[in-house]
Amino acid sequence: GENVEQHPSTLSVQEGDSAVIKCTYSDSASNYFPWYKQELGKRPQLIIDIRSNVGEKKDQRIAVTLNKTAKHFSLHITETQPEDSAVYFCAASRGSGSGTYKYIFGTGTRLKVLA
Amino acid sequence: GAVVSQHPSRVICKSGTSVKIECRSLDFQATTMFWYRQFPKKSLMLMATSNEGSKATYEQGVEKDKFLINHASLTLSTLTVTSAHPEDSSFYICSARGGRSEAFFGQGTRLTVV
Repeated sequence: GENVEQHPSTLSVQEGDSAVIKCTYSDSASNYFPWYKQELGKRPQLIIDIRSNVGEKKDQRIAVTLNKTAKHFSLHITETQPEDSAVYFCAASRGSGSGTYKYIFGTGTRLKVLA
Repeated sequence: GAVVSQHPSRVICKSGTSVKIECRSLDFQATTMFWYRQFPKKSLMLMATSNEGSKATYEQGVEKDKFLINHASLTLSTLTVTSAHPEDSSFYICSARGGRSEAFFGQGTRLTVV
């Protein structure tokens, strides 16, 4: 069935360093890939997303890359700050993310930025 | 971004009783709502997808008679946990999607069954 694998499960980096989280999806029909940040006890918040018609998207310190052939996509956070500490989830969906298509979430990465 | 409100944020109920959780889209029409269950330090497990005016689509392994979902309007979906048991204790969270691509999450409901 549909599956999204996410690695690593935990990641500790020094403040100012970069963090990379990788996801692999199984459904070749997936064409929308959002990333969510969830702080403890709070709701997941969308931080960036990418559609299959582009290979890379950047928003300030956050970037996402997509390799459709290999069916994997990655989140890159540069110049990490303590407030980046949270759990990050990737997801994959069909239909460019719209309509009734569900999201398949990865297992999450707990990022800890050490001051 | 759009606002999705989920209520209640916390609820404690006795074993055998039913609990209703509401998910409202406040500033957009949600044609589709998703209900998730999240265990501590775990990912979001999709329980069901509900479309306004039609029956919900449940994921494999989710009991539809135990987790009743109603999506009666474009701004409201409800999840009722019937005959709750301690093993139903969890964090339940909804997300809503309208015409835009991204889904917005409610703040979640922590259910404790005693």
